[in-house]
Amino acid sequence: ETGVTQSPTHLIKTRGQQVTLRCSSQSGHNTVSWYQQALGQGPQFIFQYYREEENGRGNFPPRFSGLQFPNYSSELNVNALELDDSALYLCASSLTGRASLEQYFGPGTRLTVT
Amino acid sequence: ELKVEQNPLFLSMQEGKNYTIYCNYSTTSDRLYWYRQDPGKSLESLFVLLSNGAVKQEGRLMASLDTKARLSTLHITAAVHDLSATYFCAVDRSTSGTYKYIFGTGTRLKVLA
Repeated sequence: ETGVTQSPTHLIKTRGQQVTLRCSSQSGHNTVSWYQQALGQGPQFIFQYYREEENGRGNFPPRFSGLQFPNYSSELNVNALELDDSALYLCASSLTGRASLEQYFGPGTRLTVT
Repeated sequence: ELKVEQNPLFLSMQEGKNYTIYCNYSTTSDRLYWYRQDPGKSLESLFVLLSNGAVKQEGRLMASLDTKARLSTLHITAAVHDLSATYFCAVDRSTSGTYKYIFGTGTRLKVLA
């Protein structure tokens, strides 16, 4: 059984650019959630994908968007990057909402916006 | 809106001492999770608490959940340096079919030799 993987590990972008982060869910998991963790803070829920559709969203602007693919992997896209987007982005996979006892977190992608 | 608060935010303690981290949350939830995070790393699952009165122990850490008081505790017994990390509690929150975690503010623990 493979765990949650994310790529890339680190990324440096310039303000105004666009970025795509990738996540492969744990084997057998069909739900992927994305979290943003700014330095010194707890993770904040961005959105969740289930069966290739967005299944809930936190308090993030539309320039944060995502995709989920038939194999349940997912992408997080951020347009028009701002300095405050610098954070650790965590992907978590789980099995079908309430049926899941736990979300399993990936190693994260550290995004730096200059 | 669900809020999750932890205290203390920072904790510096001597090796061998005991201490408790508190996690309070503002609305009903019957599932709570504790995570450990080392600097620059992801979240490591410590405990999953699924019902009122649940108590789990692993090594020097013990977690409990009181859903009526909306309180969870993480108790550290005879702390060692290796326990230095940031500890987060997270409450499972359902909103219109979306099951997401609301994380606490984190407690940064430093164990001094």
